[in-house]
Amino acid sequence: KAGVTQTPRYLIKTRGQQVTLSCSPISGHRSVSWYQQTPGQGLQFLFEYFSETQRNKGNFPGRFSGRQFSNSRSEMNVSTLELGDSALYLCASSAGTGGVGELFFGEGSRLTVL
Amino acid sequence: GENVEQHPSTLSVQEGDSAVIKCTYSDSASNYFPWYKQELGKRPQLIIDIRSNVGEKKDQRIAVTLNKTAKHFSLHITETQPEDSAVYFCAAPRLYSGGGADGLTFGKGTHLIIQP
Repeated sequence: KAGVTQTPRYLIKTRGQQVTLSCSPISGHRSVSWYQQTPGQGLQFLFEYFSETQRNKGNFPGRFSGRQFSNSRSEMNVSTLELGDSALYLCASSAGTGGVGELFFGEGSRLTVL
Repeated sequence: GENVEQHPSTLSVQEGDSAVIKCTYSDSASNYFPWYKQELGKRPQLIIDIRSNVGEKKDQRIAVTLNKTAKHFSLHITETQPEDSAVYFCAAPRLYSGGGADGLTFGKGTHLIIQP
């Protein structure tokens, strides 16, 4: 069974630009969650989508948004990029909601903002 | 919201010795506590988890203990081997009103170094 796929794997942007990251979950998984990983802050929850619905959002500004499609694929968008947005963005899928069972992570999208 | 504290941030042990990593959480309603291992340049992967209805769970050289009264849980690795070198993250669920959870709050990680 194919794992979680994230694209692109690496990208470089400049301040003020926007970026869209994509995540394809494991087949049959309805939940997709996004995490930001940085050396200083570890893994921080961005948001989770379950059956196309986002419940709550982590402590991130409105520049961070996302959506989930009917086939469970998800995208996240960051607008007006800042230097501090440089990070590894990890997507994870799970069969149920992400807080009660195993998360299967993708390899991540490494964003560098110059 | 849930707050998860993890200690130590770095742990160096001799190969063959045991390693213990500790975490505390703030929300007494939390009921699921996973541990993830992330090797250098790789994705985090679940290595063991425990639910609040048990106090201890073992899987070969790895064990997790949970003390709900004190709100802390620990990862124990015995007979450490070079392949145990990695960053380990503990986590607890992000609970919302109504009793559901929509993701995990992670500790900041422990870099475990196995010295030959």
